Amino acid sequence: GNSVTQMEGPVTLSEEAFLTINCTYTATGYPSLFWYVQYPGEGLQLLLKATKADDKGSNKGFEATYRKETTSFHLEKGSVQVSDSAVYFCALSGNFGNEKLTFGTGTRLTIIP
Amino acid sequence: DAGITQSPRHKVTETGTPVTLRCHQTENHRYMYWYRQDPGHGLRLIHYSYGVKDTDKGEVSDGYSVSRSKTEDFLLTLESATSSQTSVYFCAVGPSQETQYFGPGTRLLVL
Repeated sequence: GNSVTQMEGPVTLSEEAFLTINCTYTATGYPSLFWYVQYPGEGLQLLLKATKADDKGSNKGFEATYRKETTSFHLEKGSVQVSDSAVYFCALSGNFGNEKLTFGTGTRLTIIP
Repeated sequence: DAGITQSPRHKVTETGTPVTLRCHQTENHRYMYWYRQDPGHGLRLIHYSYGVKDTDKGEVSDGYSVSRSKTEDFLLTLESATSSQTSVYFCAVGPSQETQYFGPGTRLLVL
């Protein structure tokens, strides 16, 4: 079956540091890949997505590239802000995006000023 | 934003009592989902619906039932609440299986 593995947290960084949160996946066929963000006390929001190999999703300064050869979709941001403190979830939808989402366990990110 | 509301937002109940959580949407999306979120487990799918009266089980459906009699409402019932069902419950809705919009969550404590 489909599965997502993301780096365990918590991750603590100083403001303006470079961020990487690793995500790898196992899926048959051609999944679509997603990053969701959950701010304190809220539900999840879609941050970015990529639907085919070598696609780059981007939003709010965050980027992730769909790497089929390494089955990875790592989240990066060049300079984090305190407002980026949240829990980040990697997810996939199999069969060209026609299946339910499978989520990773989440990575809690804390940015200190 | 799919105009999703969940009620109640917080609930404390006792072991053995039935509990019903409601998810309401204003956009008439076809798909609706119930997840639970627990530390170390991320989000786990309980049940989902792909249309009125069309529902199916997710990975952690034991002890839960759902109903969808109208497009806009998806109810989750804990038939006899247990302490292991203490969790944060999220509803999600969307026009397709890969596109999901999440509600604000319901925090449930079973004593």
